[in-house]
Amino acid sequence: ETGVTQTPRHLVMGMTNKKSLKCEQHLGHNAMYWYKQSAKKPLELMFVYSLEERVENNSVPSRFSPECPNSSHLFLHLHTLQPEDSALYLCASSQVGGRENEQFFGPGTRLTVL
Amino acid sequence: GQQLNQSPQSMFIQEGEDVSMNCTSSSIFNTWLWYKQDPGEGPVLLIALYKAGELTSNGRLTAQFGITRKDSFLNISASIPSDVGIYFCAAIQGAQKLVFGQGTRLTINP
Repeated sequence: ETGVTQTPRHLVMGMTNKKSLKCEQHLGHNAMYWYKQSAKKPLELMFVYSLEERVENNSVPSRFSPECPNSSHLFLHLHTLQPEDSALYLCASSQVGGRENEQFFGPGTRLTVL
Repeated sequence: GQQLNQSPQSMFIQEGEDVSMNCTSSSIFNTWLWYKQDPGEGPVLLIALYKAGELTSNGRLTAQFGITRKDSFLNISASIPSDVGIYFCAAIQGAQKLVFGQGTRLTINP
């Protein structure tokens, strides 16, 4: 595998379900990000982990819970979501201390909440 | 919060035409980035600009970091069908936090 991978690519869930999104980066980076992309809206930064510590939480509802067990893996745990949470969830990684502004994105998970 | 105003929102052009899009802001940024997103995929970094006034090319793509540090533009010359997609500008003022424009959707008629 190369670059940034995300699984699953598509997910349909009910409002009472609990699911998790997974991201893995194969670039040797030490910072990882979760973004939400909704139709006709700019990408919204949700969470930032740098050196495995959360450094940014952009007022995201608690029904979204991130986890970063190591510098290569990032999870987004979902529970009791709302239909308006349906969106494309993108993971990205970068190298802190390098050209850290150059974030590399995964293909995303298309989430539909029924 | 900081916002980037990207225009146009959409473009419909003929194959072979040149394309120009831009991003503006009321805030000053230290870095401007341009990404392209294909359907069903994540954004891919095209060009990164780190210095005011900088003009950088990547094949048929050329981007400039505005001298005021509040804007940037992207040009695509001699468009081809694979240029179709959504182009996003992004900018950063501090570390590790990008703010994105709304995107420009490019459609090319063969």
